[in-house]
Amino acid sequence: QLQLQESGPGLVKPSETLSLTCTVSGGSISTTDYYWGWIRQPPGKGLEWIGSIYYSGTTYYNPSLKSRVTISVHTSKKQFSLKLSSVNAADTAIYYCARRQLQLANDWNFDLWGRGTLVTVSS
Amino acid sequence: SFDLTQPPSVSVSPGQTATITCSGDKLGNQYSCWYQQKPGQSPVLVIYQDSKRPSGIPERFSGSNSGNTATLTISGTQAVDEADYYCQAWDYTTVVFGGGTRLTVL
Repeated sequence: QLQLQESGPGLVKPSETLSLTCTVSGGSISTTDYYWGWIRQPPGKGLEWIGSIYYSGTTYYNPSLKSRVTISVHTSKKQFSLKLSSVNAADTAIYYCARRQLQLANDWNFDLWGRGTLVTVSS
Repeated sequence: SFDLTQPPSVSVSPGQTATITCSGDKLGNQYSCWYQQKPGQSPVLVIYQDSKRPSGIPERFSGSNSGNTATLTISGTQAVDEADYYCQAWDYTTVVFGGGTRLTVL
């Protein structure tokens, strides 16, 4: 059974770059059936999509974060990663990696989620 | 991108039907989906492509989407259904989530 697991520092200083990795286990990341993505949730608040990537490297980003976000895929390691630059306190959140089913072009839903990792931005 | 608006809270008695709405401009022209999130847990997809249930999701969960409103309906609501529910759609440039609805089973 495929699982996703986030990893990375739990504390990042303001103005620095947040870096997280999602490891895919129990299945392939190099599949034409799925996109892989990042979604975050500030404590006590709602969900915000950050961006998604296809195994080939094609990316989609949230326009509100696009200038600070880079998502990349490392197929040999079965991992994909998130970099968010110039962070501030508003970037404090639980960061989830998630899988998007690629059934229909206009249907974006995330059918599998990691457990999430809390990243705090503080000096 | 459009905004998706959900009521902050909905209350329902056990065994009754809970209805959670999600409003957005011409939302019916897009596919919508719904997630359930319990405290301290990751979201779980309960409805996708407006009305389809993933494997393992009870039949009491159903969805619809028309005009400007998507609706999640939980028939015969149980105490285990108490959670936050989020709607979500794609507007051709970005994934948009609703603000979430806290479902309380009284």
